Amino acid sequence: NAGVTQTPKFRVLKTGQSMTLLCAQDMNHEYMYWYRQDPGMGLRLIHYSVGEGTTAKGEVPDGYNVSRLKKQNFLLGLESAAPSQTSVYFCASSSMPGPDYNEQFFGPGTRLTVL
Amino acid sequence: AQKITQTQPGMFVQEKEAVTLDCTYDTSDPSYGLFWYKQPSSGEMIFLIYQGSYDQQNATEGRYSLNFQKARKSANLVISASQLGDSAMYFCAMSAVQGAQKLVFGQGTRLTINP
Repeated sequence: NAGVTQTPKFRVLKTGQSMTLLCAQDMNHEYMYWYRQDPGMGLRLIHYSVGEGTTAKGEVPDGYNVSRLKKQNFLLGLESAAPSQTSVYFCASSSMPGPDYNEQFFGPGTRLTVL
Repeated sequence: AQKITQTQPGMFVQEKEAVTLDCTYDTSDPSYGLFWYKQPSSGEMIFLIYQGSYDQQNATEGRYSLNFQKARKSANLVISASQLGDSAMYFCAMSAVQGAQKLVFGQGTRLTINP
């Protein structure tokens, strides 16, 4: 049971290049999330998904696109990378809301540098 | 909109002492959840403790307790008998209870435990 995994762990891009970050979870969770963490700051929500085939914008969605074609995978795309997108990206997943809280499980993060 | 404020950028504590990390919040949601996460230097996000706004009692998890004062909109984390391994960044976060668990994080407090 791997939990939440992220690929790649590190990446360096040049301005204008594109890339896709892959998040996979094996807990059969309905909800998945993408956050970014800038130096000295807390995480901020980029996009999230409440189920296969659905996506929604979070707090800082500009410059990113996402897709959830399979329940276990959540992809984050950068079409034209900018230096302002240099950050650590975290994926997370959680189950459907229940009578109590649902712990959000985080992946190990992807460190992205845009030159 | 939800907002989390952590006013202590850094805290220094002697080993075995208790420490309180401050967190205040603002929200218009009638029901909400409050979370604390630990982020060691390795970078992963570790869930510590949760408090629901409707819970009458303060949450406790081992050496961690959450001092929840709803009228003051505060959710301070108390770590008893601190250990060297407690040195890390600590983030307070909140989300609405219904629907997707879109976490809003504070800026964090860096806790250093001195031997």
